[in-house]
Amino acid sequence: GENVEQHPSTLSVQEGDSAVIKCTYSDSASNYFPWYKQELGKRPQLIIDIRSNVGEKKDQRIAVTLNKTAKHFSLHITETQPEDSAVYFCAASIGWGKLTFGQGTILTVHP
Amino acid sequence: DGGITQSPKYLFRKEGQNVTLSCEQNLNHDAMYWYRQDPGQGLRLIYYSQIVNDFQKGDIAEGYSVSREKKESFPLTVTSAQKNPTAFYLCASSILVTSSYEQYFGPGTRLTVT
Repeated sequence: GENVEQHPSTLSVQEGDSAVIKCTYSDSASNYFPWYKQELGKRPQLIIDIRSNVGEKKDQRIAVTLNKTAKHFSLHITETQPEDSAVYFCAASIGWGKLTFGQGTILTVHP
Repeated sequence: DGGITQSPKYLFRKEGQNVTLSCEQNLNHDAMYWYRQDPGQGLRLIYYSQIVNDFQKGDIAEGYSVSREKKESFPLTVTSAQKNPTAFYLCASSILVTSSYEQYFGPGTRLTVT
């Protein structure tokens, strides 16, 4: 089955800096790669996603890049703000199939 | 917080008791999912269902059971056979159209078994 590895497990940045979180996946058939943000005790919420027919997608300060050949994808957050502090999860699936999640990255943005 | 609801928010049970977690959605979504989240870990899929009266095991189905008698409802029963039931349980749903694969999550139920 699919295996998703996520790094780093913790990331600490100063406000205004950029943050990058990386994930690798094992199943070349996976074609959907979402990123979720989860605040303490709350539900995960989708912040951006990308499909395998696209190499990069951007939404304001957030971008995701996908390298199908290397089977890795990354989340980029620019101009970080304290409210970006949360746990971020990457995931992979084949269409509507099972989502396999990475282990999560605790992002802390210091004012 | 409408759309997909889970109840209760916190649940406490004694070891050896079965417990059922509720998940309801009014989004008219076809598929529903149950995940388990342990501290410092990602989400792991327990069961999922893409159609009424049908469901499939996820990666960690042992000790759990589900039913899907209505499109809107997908209750999860944590049985006494589940060795480590204490966890945060999240239900999700998605619509099965090619334009969207997004899964929407409920607020979760934190189960503590002592």
